[in-house]
Amino acid sequence: AQSVTQPDIHITVSEGASLELRCNYSYGATPYLFWYVQSPGQGLQLLLKYFSGDTLVQGIKGFEAEFKRSQSSFNLRKPSVHWSDAAEYFCAVGASNTGKLIFGQGTTLQVKP
Amino acid sequence: GAVVSQHPSRVICKSGTSVKIECRSLDFQATTMFWYRQFPKQSLMLMATSNEGSKATYEQGVEKDKFLINHASLTLSTLTVTSAHPEDSSFYICSARTMTGAQQETQYFGPGTRLLVL
Repeated sequence: AQSVTQPDIHITVSEGASLELRCNYSYGATPYLFWYVQSPGQGLQLLLKYFSGDTLVQGIKGFEAEFKRSQSSFNLRKPSVHWSDAAEYFCAVGASNTGKLIFGQGTTLQVKP
Repeated sequence: GAVVSQHPSRVICKSGTSVKIECRSLDFQATTMFWYRQFPKQSLMLMATSNEGSKATYEQGVEKDKFLINHASLTLSTLTVTSAHPEDSSFYICSARTMTGAQQETQYFGPGTRLLVL
């Protein structure tokens, strides 16, 4: 069955520290992978996506993610976190035939001053 | 580019009434739109897939007669919650999928609609 797991429900980092949010997926074919961010009471904003090619993808706001097929992972990273990065982060895998997204449970990021 | 709007952003209604939520793709055409529901502190739950000019496809457990979806044009899909009850109170989010060029297969999300049924 297709699924996405975000092992960390809540993460707290200090401003300026590096960040890594984990995402593991289960999908039969080559996955389309996405990271979205959601601020409280808002919709989702696309941070980055992976369809094919270079396994290290760059996104907006200084985020990057690396697709590792052998580990079925698509972890999100940022070298230096800003207070404005505090939000909910969702990893998702997309089915190429239907376009449906399967979301992980989300990771809440808190940034300490 | 790839902006999706929703209207209204917040609505309060009485139990038994119907509420319509609009989802528009502002700068692109979307042959497919999706409707999600999100409970507090939870992930998004896909309710239905809406294709322009055809009937929506509902996920298992979603009542199609309660959540009416219409996708009359390439830029507009509507979700109508009929005979709303307090348990329908939730955050409803739509997304639109682009199918052109480098943005193929990407869903762009609206800002969401907060529904409160009294």
